[in-house]
Amino acid sequence: DSGVTQTPKHLITATGQRVTLRCSPRSGDLSVYWYQQSLDQGLQFLIQYYNGEERAKGNILERFSAQQFPDLHSELNLSSLELGDSALYFCASSPHRESDTQYFGPGTRLTVL
Amino acid sequence: AQSVAQPEDQVNVAEGNPLTVKCTYSVSGNPYLFWYVQYPNRGLQFLLKYITGDNLVKGSYGFEAEFNKSQTSFHLKKPSALVSDSALYFCAVRALSGGYQKVTFGTGTKLQVIP
Repeated sequence: DSGVTQTPKHLITATGQRVTLRCSPRSGDLSVYWYQQSLDQGLQFLIQYYNGEERAKGNILERFSAQQFPDLHSELNLSSLELGDSALYFCASSPHRESDTQYFGPGTRLTVL
Repeated sequence: AQSVAQPEDQVNVAEGNPLTVKCTYSVSGNPYLFWYVQYPNRGLQFLLKYITGDNLVKGSYGFEAEFNKSQTSFHLKKPSALVSDSALYFCAVRALSGGYQKVTFGTGTKLQVIP
């Protein structure tokens, strides 16, 4: 158990819909990262937040957005969903520095029908 | 552009034999390098990282990796493979790119340890 929690575990929705994925980092960790893992694209870094501020950006679509709240939990919002958005979405957290080890949550499996 | 290559989709090794999972990278600055393992239906687990200093890094579960700057490689190794090492292994690089700290993962290598 990494100490990072993600909800929900599974999510099934339809094209065009909007969903919110939630991540609670390990206690004391200031950074939260979001990743997408799919058969087509492999493992892709989406975005990082550090203490409430956007810190690094990867291959995140404009239809996706994220935020980190004062209690340091984070939410990833996915809108206008397409079939290709079906994937496993991981959250990870780390204490603060870029060199710190990231600890991954169990993931949310999103299925878009 | 920053990139990571894991040239082998799958590596098969007999139990007790040494194993190597290859990783090469391309970055414009100084990289931080990581190895992660993913067991079926599980999230990623950290194995080891290279930040600076000794080129040979030791990590979890008896794994180690050697940072080779001239060959831009960071191959994962273990002297004696176990069946329980069978999993998907990801190499990752983190470096400054376009003013951002960017993280890039390789495509993953499936390690199959044969009893």
